[in-house]
Amino acid sequence: EVQLLESGGGLVQPGGSLRLSCAASGFSFSTYAMSWVRQAPGKGLEWVSSISGNGVSTYYAGSVKGRFTTSRDNSKNTLYLQMNSLRAEDTAVYYCATQTRSAPPNWGQGTLVTVSS
Amino acid sequence: DIQMTQSPSSLSAFVGDRVTLTCRASQGISNYLAWFQQRPGKAPKSLIYDASSLQSGVPSKFSGSGSGTDFTLTISSLQPEDFATYYCQQYNSYPITFGQGTRLEIK
Repeated sequence: EVQLLESGGGLVQPGGSLRLSCAASGFSFSTYAMSWVRQAPGKGLEWVSSISGNGVSTYYAGSVKGRFTTSRDNSKNTLYLQMNSLRAEDTAVYYCATQTRSAPPNWGQGTLVTVSS
Repeated sequence: DIQMTQSPSSLSAFVGDRVTLTCRASQGISNYLAWFQQRPGKAPKSLIYDASSLQSGVPSKFSGSGSGTDFTLTISSLQPEDFATYYCQQYNSYPITFGQGTRLEIK
């Protein structure tokens, strides 16, 4: 069974940093591209970033480019999202998800990030 | 960026009804479209991927169709647990984009 478990969320002040992790199990992690998706309170879903299976290629939404960095450790079956220079508008539940064409997507349960002073 | 437009934004229906939700892409995305269901306070749940492939464990009352720019999600015989918000997502190219959602409510 595919499982994705996010962690690392919490309360951080504007301008601060946070690193999210997503522990994966139940599938061949290194063969899947992965994504981060967020949802601000009361809003819709917003794609944040994706990374290829081998970690070579990364993609970012314009709203986070230059502030967020996605990486992965395939030896630990773990995906990361390093978030710097956080703003109030980054407050959201952050989900990790598998993101590979012609393969069923799977999502974690999410971790809440609150940016507030 | 590819814009995804869902219609209607909200829909009221009776238990037992059959409904069709629509998602339109601003340019062709082949069949790289997914549908998600989200109940209040819960994580999104995948229903359909590659426009018409049913996610494992999802009942066959959910079906998807379309290719190119126009896509539909049909839900037959609505049950109380089906009343939720539904999102489409294109993953043909980056940036990946979502529709704004369709809220399905009980009439």
